[in-house]
Amino acid sequence: EVQLVESGGGVVRPGGSLRLSCAASGFTFDDYGMSWVRQAPGKGLEWVSGINWNGGSTGYADSVKGRFTISRDNAKNSLYLQMNSLRAEDTALYHCARFTYSSGWYDYWGQGTLVTVSS
Amino acid sequence: NFMLTQPHSVSESPGKTVTISCTRSSGSVASNYVQWYQQRPGSSPTTVIYEDNQRPSGVPDRFSGSIDSSSNSASLTISGLKTEDEADYYCQSYDSSNHGVFGGGTTLTVL
Repeated sequence: EVQLVESGGGVVRPGGSLRLSCAASGFTFDDYGMSWVRQAPGKGLEWVSGINWNGGSTGYADSVKGRFTISRDNAKNSLYLQMNSLRAEDTALYHCARFTYSSGWYDYWGQGTLVTVSS
Repeated sequence: NFMLTQPHSVSESPGKTVTISCTRSSGSVASNYVQWYQQRPGSSPTTVIYEDNQRPSGVPDRFSGSIDSSSNSASLTISGLKTEDEADYYCQSYDSSNHGVFGGGTTLTVL
């Protein structure tokens, strides 16, 4: 059974940093791209960042470019999101999702980890 | 880059059919697959349609997807509506760099 379990969320002050993790199991992790998708309270889904199977290619939404860094450790079956210079508008539930390149499909999602940026 | 535009909300009665549209702002809707996700309150999104019109196993055939190049849009149609279909629905595609693009979401009310 495919499982994605996020952790690392919490309350942080504006300008602070957090590192999110996503532990993957139930599939061959390095066969897939991975992404982070967030959802602000009461709002829609927003793609944040993506990474290919070996970490050699990454992408970011304009809203987080230069502040967030996505990475993965295939030996640990883990995905990460380093978030720096956090802003109030980064407050959201952050989901990791498995990405299928052939169709651009996010076929499995974790339950998410909540990030709250507040003074 | 392009945007995907969905109606904010739709409503219909049980047993009826509803269609949710997703219009691509630029570039052809046919150039990249469209997926549809259902999200119930407090839950993560789950796929109801992938690759424009494919249903994952376990999704009833009451759910169908299509694309229309003339209107440059994708559509999700749900027939035989049930109260359990009440949820938010999101369309999703991707750009040439494999960056994800989500529609703003549509709240379906079955009343």
